[in-house]
Amino acid sequence: AQSVTQPDIHITVSEGASLELRCNYSYGATPYLFWYVQSPGQGLQLLLKYFSGDTLVQGIKGFEAEFKRSQSSFNLRKPSVHWSDAAEYFCAGGYLGDAGKSTFGDGTTLTVKP
Amino acid sequence: EAGVAQSPRYKIIEKRQSVAFWCNPISGHATLYWYQQILGQGPKLLIQFQNNGVVDDSQLPKDRFSAERLKGVDSTLKIQPAKLEDSAVYLCASSLAGGRDNEQFFGPGTRLTVL
Repeated sequence: AQSVTQPDIHITVSEGASLELRCNYSYGATPYLFWYVQSPGQGLQLLLKYFSGDTLVQGIKGFEAEFKRSQSSFNLRKPSVHWSDAAEYFCAGGYLGDAGKSTFGDGTTLTVKP
Repeated sequence: EAGVAQSPRYKIIEKRQSVAFWCNPISGHATLYWYQQILGQGPKLLIQFQNNGVVDDSQLPKDRFSAERLKGVDSTLKIQPAKLEDSAVYLCASSLAGGRDNEQFFGPGTRLTVL
């Protein structure tokens, strides 16, 4: 089945350290991919999206993600984490021909240590 | 610009009771989505509307769930009767149009607890 997988349920990093959250996809066709963030009690907010073209995508709040077809991955990165980045992060994806429908991964919870 | 509004924010009911959730999308957004997010999982699409027509309801448990979007604006999602496994956060989202190029904007969700 077409899907996205987030292998890490929970990640803890120290404030100021770099961050990488993993996302793997399994779409036969060229996928489109998103990263969302969800803070407690809040709705999901789009961080960035990849449709085609440049494989390194810049997003809001200093996040970036790199699409790697050879590894079927779309990992989210940030060079220096702030305490306010603590939240749950969701990768989502779909493919052309599926009416714009997206499937979400099960999320990665990020804890930031002071 | 006002965001997607949902009410109520929290609801506690007993199994076999019925419940309804309301969503008001961003003004001018033609596409509206309802998602179910069970604790520890990502959101799962229940139904997608384009204006007041259904685009996709393949994952909606139609024996107990129903949704409508009269006049192509507000939407209501109903569960009747509720089961324990319906405990989840129900998220509403809207976008200018359907398709991958249109960002979905999410509401804060309604947290349902079924006892």
